Amino acid sequence: AQKITQTQPGMFVQEKEAVTLDCTYDTSDPSYGLFWYKQPSSGEMIFLIYQGSYDQQNATEGRYSLNFQKARKSANLVISASQLGDSAMYFCAMREITNTGNQFYFGTGTSLTVIP
Amino acid sequence: NAGVTQTPKFQVLKTGQSMTLQCAQDMNHEYMSWYRQDPGMGLRLIHYSVGAGITDQGEVPNGYNVSRSTTEDFPLRLLSAAPSQTSVYFCASSFGQGVLGGANVLTFGAGSRLTVL
Repeated sequence: AQKITQTQPGMFVQEKEAVTLDCTYDTSDPSYGLFWYKQPSSGEMIFLIYQGSYDQQNATEGRYSLNFQKARKSANLVISASQLGDSAMYFCAMREITNTGNQFYFGTGTSLTVIP
Repeated sequence: NAGVTQTPKFQVLKTGQSMTLQCAQDMNHEYMSWYRQDPGMGLRLIHYSVGAGITDQGEVPNGYNVSRSTTEDFPLRLLSAAPSQTSVYFCASSFGQGVLGGANVLTFGAGSRLTVL
């Protein structure tokens, strides 16, 4: 089974509108971390936001927020007030802590295009 | 404050040639890893290391070799390049499992684009 599932290969959003990128995860560990990364066309991987499994509140970083629904095992990224510079590939990831150390898993990504 | 440094950024190989992708980090990270990125497939883990002298296989290890003689360096070796290894390769590192929370982010290098003819 996939550890991280991103079901939206591509998304479009109007500039200044909000957009939600979906992510579901699969783990039986009680302690894990969830991440979102942005990959612009230049290729680098940029860390956006982190949510811990024990965090009671949804994480926020500027225009980014993570809608964490633990029972549904979802960790959707919400981008408010979209900007043209938000056009990029977005990856959801999960960190598990195993007996051999960290393990990171990535989804297949969602390509976001912001329309002027 | 270099972070994760990968070299080379671009490389063209012929089938059967060997080469090494270099990766170095200056953040005293215990965990280091190599991913390959192919269109529509996200990031797939090739090999990883949880500390000097310790390496393990990821999801797609065939055709690749790694070693971790120091905390800082984690080179990826292609033993006999094949066209199927044409990809973008990322090295990434993080603190070990003893560091919890948002401080334990996976930090990426800039990527290396490899073409095998």
